[in-house]
Amino acid sequence: QVQLVESGGGVVQPGRSLRLSCAASGFNFTSHVMHWVRQAPGKGLEWVAMISFDGRKKYNSDSVKDRFTISRDNSKNTLYVQLNSLRPEDTAVYYCSRSLADWGQGTLVTVSS
Amino acid sequence: SYELTQPPSVSVSPGQTARITCSGHALPKRYAYWYQQKPGQAPVLVIFQDTERPSGIPERFSGSTSGTTVTLTISGVQAEDEADYYCQSADTTGTYVFGTGTKVTVL
Repeated sequence: QVQLVESGGGVVQPGRSLRLSCAASGFNFTSHVMHWVRQAPGKGLEWVAMISFDGRKKYNSDSVKDRFTISRDNSKNTLYVQLNSLRPEDTAVYYCSRSLADWGQGTLVTVSS
Repeated sequence: SYELTQPPSVSVSPGQTARITCSGHALPKRYAYWYQQKPGQAPVLVIFQDTERPSGIPERFSGSTSGTTVTLTISGVQAEDEADYYCQSADTTGTYVFGTGTKVTVL
């Protein structure tokens, strides 16, 4: 059974950084593309970033461009995203997803002074 | 940037058919996916590769495609189908995008 558990969310001041993690289990993590998707309060889904199975290819949405960095540690079955230079508009629930087919329950990031 | 456009809302009586459209210029070249999201829950994939249904998804959910528009059809709508629905695809550069979302209300 696929399980994805996000952690690392919380309240952070504008301009600061945060790293989110996603612990994966129940499938062969090293064989799957992984994504981060976010959802601002009361808003729709927004794709954030994707990483290839081996970590060699990474893609970001234009809205987060160079501020967010996706990475993975296949030896730990864990996906990460480093959120830098955070803005109030980055406030959202952040979901990790296996190939956009299976999803975790999300972790809330609130950017506020 | 690439956009996928959905109607904001669809209302349907129990037992009737709900159709949700999603329009985007790259849809003839890229697969579409559909997700159901209920309040406070993570999205659930209900259709992949335009028309395929994952195991465990009821047969009343189906997908179709015509040109630059894809459609999610829910036949014989039940109260439990009340939710937000999102289409998803990719543009020609491989960047992923979600539709604007449609709230389905069961009257």
